[in-house]
Amino acid sequence: GQQVMQIPQYQHVQEGEDFTTYCNSSTTLSNIQWYKQRPGGHPVFLIQLVKSGEVKKQKRLTFQFGEAKKNSSLHITATQTTDVGTYFCAGTGRGSYIPTFGRGTSLIVHP
Amino acid sequence: GAGVSQSPRYKVAKRGQDVALRCDPISGHVSLFWYQQALGQGPEFLTYFQNEAQLDKSGLPSDRFFAERPEGSVSTLKIQRTQQEDSAVYLCASSPRRDGNYGYTFGSGTRLTVV
Repeated sequence: GQQVMQIPQYQHVQEGEDFTTYCNSSTTLSNIQWYKQRPGGHPVFLIQLVKSGEVKKQKRLTFQFGEAKKNSSLHITATQTTDVGTYFCAGTGRGSYIPTFGRGTSLIVHP
Repeated sequence: GAGVSQSPRYKVAKRGQDVALRCDPISGHVSLFWYQQALGQGPEFLTYFQNEAQLDKSGLPSDRFFAERPEGSVSTLKIQRTQQEDSAVYLCASSPRRDGNYGYTFGSGTRLTVV
């Protein structure tokens, strides 16, 4: 079945440094979504990417979808303590309605 | 309601006990998912409903797990004869669309601890 791998598992940064998490799927995706889960919270939808090579920005967050629609990344510029949490990618395969989540990358920001 | 509501928020069950977890999705949302999230892991798919139809239950770990959504709104996940390995957070998510475009709204989850 479809597998979604996400690296790194953890990332410690100093406040103000940049952060990137990477997501790779074993199969071609129809779309990929990104979620943020704060400690003790539940996943909150951030964005969806659909087109090959698509790039979307939300303030300091930049999301990319690979040309082959099998990988994606989330980049945060100049991290803040409010960015702390676990970031998950969730890929949906062609012909499916079911997102498969990666294991997540936990971001720890040191002030 | 304004969001996806799950109850109870916490449940402690003795091994062998049956439990029922409830999900109230956002009114009018067509798609409803149940996911299981173990500590330090990503959500793992359990089952999927479109309205009242259970279209996919391939993620249910065993025949002790059963889910229903009889009227296409509220859903219940039932676990019979709970085991320690069932301890996890059970998340419900809903979407107004069949295809999930614009993302899924998750509830706060039910943390199940089997002792």
